[in-house]
Amino acid sequence: GQNIDQPTEMTATEGAIVQINCTYQTSGFNGLFWYQQHAGEAPTFLSYNVLDGLEEKGRFSSFLSRSKGYSYLLLKELQMKDSASYLCAVSDSNYQLIWGAGTKLIIKP
Amino acid sequence: GAVVSQHPSRVICKSGTSVKIECRSLDFQATTMFWYRQFPKQSLMLMATSNEGSKATYEQGVEKDKFLINHASLTLSTLTVTSAHPEDSSFYICSASLGRENNEQFFGPGTRLTVL
Repeated sequence: GQNIDQPTEMTATEGAIVQINCTYQTSGFNGLFWYQQHAGEAPTFLSYNVLDGLEEKGRFSSFLSRSKGYSYLLLKELQMKDSASYLCAVSDSNYQLIWGAGTKLIIKP
Repeated sequence: GAVVSQHPSRVICKSGTSVKIECRSLDFQATTMFWYRQFPKQSLMLMATSNEGSKATYEQGVEKDKFLINHASLTLSTLTVTSAHPEDSSFYICSASLGRENNEQFFGPGTRLTVL
């Protein structure tokens, strides 16, 4: 079967760095997405990785290792507004997105 | 980026009535639209995938006669919750993508449905 694993919840301190991991087992691979979702709102796109390596975009970076079926989202200089759920999703061989359950990130002052 | 709108943003209805939710891609033509449901503190659950001009593909466990999906044009898809019951109360979110290989999904703002 297809499976996406990410931690349920993480806590970090304002100004610090946090890494949210995602491991996947899917039938085929056509890219991995990270989305941010604030409570009561729809998800918003953060990043897309299809090749191995690190993609940096401001305070957020995303890493992919296809051989390991592994990705992480790195958030630097954490701000209180970063408190949200972070969703990992993999596009499979049919270009269908398989979603992880999301990681709730709690930022403390 | 591409913009997707959803209407209404919030709806309260009586049990047994039907509710229609519209999803529109405002500045692009969406080959494929997706409908999700999300219960409080849970992840997104894909309900169905619809392609313009063809029947929607429903996920296992989703009743196609209860959740009617129409994708009549490249910019509009509708979800009708028929004979709604309190257990259908949820956050319904649509998304749209440009096409098969361009599979980033652009999300609408969601519709909060409360069935009394």
